[in-house]
Amino acid sequence: EPEVTQTPSHQVTQMGQEVILRCVPISNHLYFYWYRQILGQKVEFLVSFYNNEISEKSEIFDDQFSVERPDGSNFTLKIRSTKLEDSAMYFCASRGDSGVNEQFFGPGTRLTVL
Amino acid sequence: AQSVTQPDIHITVSEGASLELRCNYSYGATPYLFWYVQSPGQGLQLLLKYFSGDTLVQGIKGFEAEFKRSQSSFNLRKPSVHWSDAAEYFCAVAPGAGANNLFFGTGTRLTVIP
Repeated sequence: EPEVTQTPSHQVTQMGQEVILRCVPISNHLYFYWYRQILGQKVEFLVSFYNNEISEKSEIFDDQFSVERPDGSNFTLKIRSTKLEDSAMYFCASRGDSGVNEQFFGPGTRLTVL
Repeated sequence: AQSVTQPDIHITVSEGASLELRCNYSYGATPYLFWYVQSPGQGLQLLLKYFSGDTLVQGIKGFEAEFKRSQSSFNLRKPSVHWSDAAEYFCAVAPGAGANNLFFGTGTRLTVIP
């Protein structure tokens, strides 16, 4: 069964460093998403991506964040200069073009900023 | 603004007992409702969804949920819990079929005791 994969599973970085979180969505999906979950809090929407551009983003997704689909299979989230409060679990999701918002999630990347 | 409330942070049930996890949402129109489950180290797996029609929906792993418009609720139920059901359960709402993002509750952690 096709699934969304994410790498790495755990990333530790120093404050101020850049990190890139990687996702491989399900191959025939067209819509891609990033969410995050700070420990003990809700899963929060960050950004959605369709047709090679951002279609929607939340207030969390400021200039420190960027997304890219560098090739036909990967979808990345970059945090330019990490802060302590960026420590969270980051989930990638994708969905097809059926018109129904049924998103398939990856296992997440736990980002720890020291 | 849309919101999702899961009032129970942690629930413990005995194996074989019935289960009900509560979810309330706040949204003006009929939302699209989802339940996801997350086992340790795994991604968010979709258990079931409600878009329209029959208000009692069946999902995977023997779960069901009932949409009650009058109570703005979408509670998840299972008649007999198995030890493998121990996990974190998330209720989520999408404002519409084509909406880009999901709004999640804070989750309910289920512990199953033998």
